[in-house]
Amino acid sequence: TQLLEQSPQFLSIQEGENLTVYCNSSSVFSSLQWYRQEPGEGPVLLVTVVTGGEVKKLKRLTFQFGDARKDSSLHITAAQPGDTGLYLCAGWNTGFQKLVFGTGTRLLVSP
Amino acid sequence: EAQVTQNPRYLITVTGKKLTVTCSQNMNHEYMSWYRQDPGLGLRQIYYSMNVEVTDKGDVPEGYKVSRKEKRNFPLILESPSPNQTSLYFCASSVGLAGGIAEQYFGPGTRLTVT
Repeated sequence: TQLLEQSPQFLSIQEGENLTVYCNSSSVFSSLQWYRQEPGEGPVLLVTVVTGGEVKKLKRLTFQFGDARKDSSLHITAAQPGDTGLYLCAGWNTGFQKLVFGTGTRLLVSP
Repeated sequence: EAQVTQNPRYLITVTGKKLTVTCSQNMNHEYMSWYRQDPGLGLRQIYYSMNVEVTDKGDVPEGYKVSRKEKRNFPLILESPSPNQTSLYFCASSVGLAGGIAEQYFGPGTRLTVT
C-alpha cells in the first residue's frame, strides 16, 4: 500500500503568520493534487501539479511538486482565519491507476 | 448547481442492521467512488465505478457493496454493519480519471455510527 505522509498533522497559528505543509512518499506520482476540507463538508480541489519541479501560486498559497515527483509542499503566506481547515494531498499512481490520499494536515488560524 | 448529494448526512444504527447510503451527481460524470475518512488515516477508497455496470474494489472493500445501475447514482450498501465501520463517508465523482488530473467532486459526507 502506498502512503502519502503529511506533516505536520496539526498546526495552530496566529493570523498573519506563514506556514508550510509537506506531503512525502517513497513512491513516484505522475501528478499531485491538493484539496481543502472545511468542517461538515467534502474536500474541494485547490490545485493539480503534474511536472517535477512545478510551482503554482493561488493568491497567498504556493504549491510545489518535487523534482523527483515523490513529494510536494503547500506554503501559505500571511495566513487568515478563512484558511482554517483540513488540507489533503493526493497523488496519482500510474501503475495502479488510482488516486492515493495523504494523511491530512489540520490547520487552525486564530484571529 | 453542479453537485454531489448524499443521504442521509447522519446515521446511527445497530450492529447487523442493513443500511444504504445514497449518492447522486448531476454532472454526467462517468467515474464515481466511495471513501471513508478516519482520523490520521486520510481518505481511503472503498469502491469505485468507471461507468454504468462497472464497479471495482478499492483499498478497503470488506463489508461493503455498491451498484451502478444508472450513471448518476452510486449507492453504498452495508449488509451487516459492524462498529469498525463507524466513520465519515464521502462519495465523489469526476469526468474520468484522466491520468489523475481530473478534479474529484465530493459530496458533503455521511457520518455513520454503528453501536
